[in-house]
Amino acid sequence: QQPVQSPQAVILREGEDAVINCSSSKALYSVHWYRQKHGEAPVFLMILLKGGEQKGHEKISASFNEKKQQSSLYLTASQLSYSGTYFCGTFDSGAGSYQLTFGKGTKLSVIP
Amino acid sequence: EADIYQTPRYLVIGTGKKITLECSQTMGHDKMYWYQQDPGMELHLIHYSYGVNSTEKGDLSSESTVSRIRTEHFPLTLESARPSHTSQYLCASSEDSPGYTFGSGTRLTVV
Repeated sequence: QQPVQSPQAVILREGEDAVINCSSSKALYSVHWYRQKHGEAPVFLMILLKGGEQKGHEKISASFNEKKQQSSLYLTASQLSYSGTYFCGTFDSGAGSYQLTFGKGTKLSVIP
Repeated sequence: EADIYQTPRYLVIGTGKKITLECSQTMGHDKMYWYQQDPGMELHLIHYSYGVNSTEKGDLSSESTVSRIRTEHFPLTLESARPSHTSQYLCASSEDSPGYTFGSGTRLTVV
């Protein structure tokens, strides 16, 4: 079951904040976040395991609400380098599954 | 530096040709994956492997095949390329954590 990301696209001015959401209809074991710049491969940002933890990477942090089966990515004081498409990937809680299922992505554009 | 390598980076070929996209990783990861991605669009899993001699088809139906004879090598083959195969193909590998490492991709154009 593919996770649903929102919004599909967002435009920010430098220094503004943004939140990207990722939700699933299935119980999740973990959530991954990746960023892909134009013409490049996706790059791993962080992983969140069930337990409601939060993590941070520079000024980017994320939370995972296990009960709501939802994760949110928070971009604070955005920089031009944050531009790209953000994908969440989810692992279901079912046993034996090692494949991430990716959302459709959120395109983030940061302008001066 | 441990990494994952894909060749060729770009490929333009004629319809009906057989091609093999190469993917190698130096990290000793057991799990490897092939994704198909049109520009700016979502990632579709087409094949995956959990180790040597293990291969499975992914969610997206594909006319390609893969093999896993060595841990480090996971090539993808198209027996007869068609214009509908035009896309970017991304190879990735992982262990249980912390995440997938993606190769730079092969951008394939079939004319």
